[in-house]
Amino acid sequence: ETGVTQSPTHLIKTRGQQVTLRCSSQSGHNTVSWYQQALGQGPQFIFQYYREEENGRGNFPPRFSGLQFPNYSSELNVNALELDDSALYLCASSLGDRGLGEQFFGPGTRLTVL
Amino acid sequence: AQTVTQSQPEMSVQEAETVTLSCTYDTSESNYYLFWYKQPPSRQMILVIRQEAYKQQNATENRFSVNFQKAAKSFSLKISDSQLGDTAMYFCAFMTPRARQLTFGSGTQLTVLP
Repeated sequence: ETGVTQSPTHLIKTRGQQVTLRCSSQSGHNTVSWYQQALGQGPQFIFQYYREEENGRGNFPPRFSGLQFPNYSSELNVNALELDDSALYLCASSLGDRGLGEQFFGPGTRLTVL
Repeated sequence: AQTVTQSQPEMSVQEAETVTLSCTYDTSESNYYLFWYKQPPSRQMILVIRQEAYKQQNATENRFSVNFQKAAKSFSLKISDSQLGDTAMYFCAFMTPRARQLTFGSGTQLTVLP
């Protein structure tokens, strides 16, 4: 069974740029959730995708967008990067149309915005 | 909106001893799930234990157990026979089927001392 993977591990961008983060869900899982974890804080929910459709969204601006592909992998895109976007971005996969039950996390992508 | 509060930013315990981490939450929902996640320095968020609100029996996973007090909206984690590998940030998290997202507390940094 393959676990959740994320790429890249680390990323450095400058303010105003755009970034794409990628996530491969655990084998058999059809739901992917994205979280932002600022330094020293708990993760904050960004959005969730189920079968290629957005299935819930947290309090994040529209410049945070996502995709889910037919193989259930997912991308998180952030446009017009701001300094406060610097954080660890976590992807979690789960089984079920509403992400019920356990969410299994990837190792995260550390984004630094200069 | 749901909130999760962890009032102990840092705790330490001697190896082989028992420690309890506190968590309280606020919700008007009657059906929900509670989780404890562990995040070691490697950043990988690992599920420790899960409790379903409709189950009165407290969940147990090997050395980890919870004290779930639904009326008090309290969900503490007890770690018995603490091991050096238990050193990590511990997050309490809440989810409802309707909200479809994990709401995390701010975390408790646990250090197990040799």
